[in-house]
Amino acid sequence: SQQGEEDPQALSIQEGENATMNCSYKTSINNLQWYRQNSGRGLVHLILIRSNEREKHSGRLRVTLDTSKKSSSLLITASRAADTASYFCAPSGGYNKLIFGAGTRLAVHP
Amino acid sequence: DVKVTQSSRYLVKRTGEKVFLECVQDMDHENMFWYRQDPGLGLRLIYFSYDVKMKEKGDIPEGYSVSREKKERFSLILESASTNQTSMYLCASSSLTRDFSSYEQYFGPGTRLTVT
Repeated sequence: SQQGEEDPQALSIQEGENATMNCSYKTSINNLQWYRQNSGRGLVHLILIRSNEREKHSGRLRVTLDTSKKSSSLLITASRAADTASYFCAPSGGYNKLIFGAGTRLAVHP
Repeated sequence: DVKVTQSSRYLVKRTGEKVFLECVQDMDHENMFWYRQDPGLGLRLIYFSYDVKMKEKGDIPEGYSVSREKKERFSLILESASTNQTSMYLCASSSLTRDFSSYEQYFGPGTRLTVT
């Protein structure tokens, strides 16, 4: 099973700024998923990008995927205090098991 | 909306006690998972089940067992709780994505277990 490694471990920004988080992985994938976890809660699925896609948008989220570099990035534009959370990537070979890394902790200050 | 519920948000148990953590999903999902989450370690898979009465070990099954007697319910059992099992426990179920390329996981709110 694949595991993603998120970078940076922690990110602190002001409201209105953009936040960029990166994910690297080691094996070939069918797709890559991003999840968010608010403090003390379960994870929530944000977006999925397939291996034949390079970029995908959902609201203020923009995800890119570079399969040649085995990396992905999640960009949150015009961040809000409510975006404060941990973000996890999950590269997937299409199997029913996902492996999550330690995540990126994002703090957005008002 | 998919709903995954866990029996307790917070639980305090004593060392040596048998502990049951219950998880129920209402979307007829085949797959269910138990993770534990510790600071700096991310989520680690304990066990998962892809069908009733079927189970597979994850990365850290030692000290745990599971039971899946009904499709909607997946239980995690700590036979004899120890202090190093103090953690946040997350249950998830999964279904195929719309394009059938992968599985998307739905998580419960978590149970914070403290073993004293």
